[in-house]
Amino acid sequence: AQRVTQPEKLLSVFKGAPVELKCNYSYSGSPELFWYVQYSRQRLQLLLRHISRESIKGFTADLNKGETSFHLKKPFAQEEDSAMYYCALAGSGGSNYKLTFGKGTLLTVNP
Amino acid sequence: KAGVTQTPRYLIKTRGQQVTLSCSPISGHRSVSWYQQTPGQGLQFLFEYFSETQRNKGNFPGRFSGRQFSNSRSEMNVSTLELGDSALYLCASSPVVFGGEQFFGPGTRLTVL
Repeated sequence: AQRVTQPEKLLSVFKGAPVELKCNYSYSGSPELFWYVQYSRQRLQLLLRHISRESIKGFTADLNKGETSFHLKKPFAQEEDSAMYYCALAGSGGSNYKLTFGKGTLLTVNP
Repeated sequence: KAGVTQTPRYLIKTRGQQVTLSCSPISGHRSVSWYQQTPGQGLQFLFEYFSETQRNKGNFPGRFSGRQFSNSRSEMNVSTLELGDSALYLCASSPVVFGGEQFFGPGTRLTVL
């Protein structure tokens, strides 16, 4: 079974402060990990995926297989980063491939 | 390209009725997935269709079913509605089957009274 845990429902930081959104997962194989974001009154959209190793809007996330974590980080938060963030896991290959989402973390960046 | 569209956007039904939701994927996308979003359970995978075939299914009762047409449009049906089926139903499309990058629609808000 695959499971994603986002321990913080709410996270509030000030503009310019570092931010880290935590994500832990449970999966026996080699997972694909993603971060999706939903800004106010917008659709859910992909922010980044671990295999691309990109930095999107200043956010990065490193897959730590030893700690089974995929935390999302940004060194200097901006007000426009305020949104709902979902960590998601997909199992590797085959007909069991499906996206399992965490319950999400609502990030608020205060001015 | 136009994004994923879902109709209707809002729906109110009573217990015992059935409902059909529609999803049009991004042009060229052949995979359509459905998700149920509730405050308590969050986002849960329902099923994925690719080339008119169901490729994967989540842990939902048989009252939840779907289909995909040759133009990749998809419909989801829920029969014998229960109060607990009240949720936001999201459709997502992808250019490939089993693709982790999903493009989401705005959702259909279903309220069961």
